[in-house]
Amino acid sequence: NAGVTQTPKFRVLKTGQSMTLLCAQDMNHEYMYWYRQDPGMGLRLIHYSVGEGTTAKGEVPDGYNVSRLKKQNFLLGLESAAPSQTSVYFCASNNPGGRYNEQFFGPGTRLTVL
Amino acid sequence: GESVGLHLPTLSVQEGDNSIINCAYSNSASDYFIWYKQESGKGPQFIIDIRSNMDKRQGQRVTVLLNKTVKHLSLQIAATQPGDSAVYFCAEISYSSASKIIFGSGTRLSIRP
Repeated sequence: NAGVTQTPKFRVLKTGQSMTLLCAQDMNHEYMYWYRQDPGMGLRLIHYSVGEGTTAKGEVPDGYNVSRLKKQNFLLGLESAAPSQTSVYFCASNNPGGRYNEQFFGPGTRLTVL
Repeated sequence: GESVGLHLPTLSVQEGDNSIINCAYSNSASDYFIWYKQESGKGPQFIIDIRSNMDKRQGQRVTVLLNKTVKHLSLQIAATQPGDSAVYFCAEISYSSASKIIFGSGTRLSIRP
């Protein structure tokens, strides 16, 4: 199993450009999450999904949109990138049963907005 | 790889000694508390969790202590090894808040040979 994968690993954007980050998991997890991590801070939840076709806002949703058209994929979109969105983005997934609190994280995507 | 944080508090420990990493949490209604380990260039990795009605839980070489009176959580690592070098985050989760995990700011653990 590949676990949780993220593409791309690195990206540089100019202010106002758009892009989509892709997260994929092969563990058949119901829940998926997008976080951002800024220097000196912990992870902050952007959006999450509790199942295919559903999404919900997290702690810092402004400026981002998400979609969960397939159970295994969770996409994070930036419609008009701003320098404040420079960060490292992590995707995670888990299931509501069993080891509920154990979220599995991807390796991250470093995004720089100039 | 992706940097975790440039200005995190750092704990420096001699290899073989025990490490104690502390965390203050905010929500007295949280149901679970979790410790994550994040190595340089990687995503966080689950270490151990503890339910809010417990005050101690042990894993392999790790122990988590919960003091609800003062809203304090600690992670003890026995016989610290070089592979324990990482940033450690505490986190809290409340099922009444749609089970969202709220992360603390992290502590960098540095191992001296």
